[in-house]
Amino acid sequence: DAKTTQPPSMDCAEGRAANLPCNHSTISGNEYVYWYRQIHSQGPQYIIHGLKNNETNEMASLIITEDRKSSTLILPHATLRDTAVYYCIVVLGGGSNYKLTFGKGTLLTVNP
Amino acid sequence: KAGVTQTPRYLIKTRGQQVTLSCSPISGHRSVSWYQQTPGQGLQFLFEYFSETQRNKGNFPGRFSGRQFSNSRSEMNVSTLELGDSALYLCASSLALGTGAEKLFFGSGTQLSVL
Repeated sequence: DAKTTQPPSMDCAEGRAANLPCNHSTISGNEYVYWYRQIHSQGPQYIIHGLKNNETNEMASLIITEDRKSSTLILPHATLRDTAVYYCIVVLGGGSNYKLTFGKGTLLTVNP
Repeated sequence: KAGVTQTPRYLIKTRGQQVTLSCSPISGHRSVSWYQQTPGQGLQFLFEYFSETQRNKGNFPGRFSGRQFSNSRSEMNVSTLELGDSALYLCASSLALGTGAEKLFFGSGTQLSVL
């Protein structure tokens, strides 16, 4: 599975959009980009995933560049409860998710 | 629908003892995977079960074992505990999204402390 690179930490003001970048320059054509987050001492929570197109759900938006070498997770109106470690993961489709490798992720701190 | 349930939430054991952790997946989910999370190593895959069979295994010693029952509930066992086994143990059940993608649902984990 392709390796990902994320900044170790980011800050965001409450109510503002949080834009979390992820670099995955070695991604292959059939690998998905997933985002999970983990609030302290809880299990990771699925946020969103995408293959080629931009995606949006009730939690966030995912923007994937045309060459698929990077992506950005957007939390449109960050709240204090969005403070968490965010993981960007790239994994092959078709039943490989069990072996998701969570790196160090980005610690997003939402400030009042 | 109830989420993934792990019991117990906290556990304290001493070196040399053994421990059994339990995981009940979301109803209808047949795949259960287990992970160990430590501050130094991050989240590492232990094993995955599907329909009572171990389908995949990570790189952990044989002291770590697991099983899955016919109702998809799973247990993992760690024998001869070592101090380094202190960690948050997470289980997840998965939902195939029909496009090749999957969604993992994690439990809150069992925090194991080995003294």
